[in-house]
Amino acid sequence: NAGVTQTPKFQVLKTGQSMTLQCAQDMNHNSMYWYRQDPGMGLRLIYYSASEGTTDKGEVPNGYNVSRLNKREFSLRLESAAPSQTSVYFCASSALGSGNTEAFFGQGTRLTVV
Amino acid sequence: DAKTTQPNSMESNEEEPVHLPCNHSTISGTDYIHWYRQLPSQGPEYVIHGLTSNVNNRMASLAIAEDRKSSTLILHRATLRDAAVYYCIHNRNNDMRFGAGTRLTVKP
Repeated sequence: NAGVTQTPKFQVLKTGQSMTLQCAQDMNHNSMYWYRQDPGMGLRLIYYSASEGTTDKGEVPNGYNVSRLNKREFSLRLESAAPSQTSVYFCASSALGSGNTEAFFGQGTRLTVV
Repeated sequence: DAKTTQPNSMESNEEEPVHLPCNHSTISGTDYIHWYRQLPSQGPEYVIHGLTSNVNNRMASLAIAEDRKSSTLILHRATLRDAAVYYCIHNRNNDMRFGAGTRLTVKP
């Protein structure tokens, strides 16, 4: 049981380049989340998806887009990367949106924008 | 804004109990209180959650104040492997927002 899988694990981008961070879960969870974590800081919610086909903004959505094309996958896209988006990105999933279930996190994608 | 307040850091001796406090004054009646921890270079890991009653599991206990505006995570016997950043959040219908957390140091 793989849980939450993120790809890639590491990425270096040049300013202005675009890329998509992939996240997949194999637990049949309804809810999925994208967070970023800057050095020495807590996690900040970028976007979340309560169910397939729905997405909502979190605390820091500017500069990002997301797609929840199916129940299993939730991708995060940077259209024009900026140095301020250098961070570790975590994807998470949970079975329900009510709050009465635990969330599972991936191991993160370390992104550097130069 | 569904944010919580925790001390920046705490220290404990190995094999002693640890009480990690959290204030969540903006919590609403249907928000669950969750605790996660993050070991170095890893993603957060679930510890425990609850709504109103105190909760116990194999990792820890969660004590929730009667007015639900604060909670305490209890590690009954801290080990070196418990050294991590501990996050308290209240889970509001998919909107899970983390604060800065408490960095727990466990001394041998």
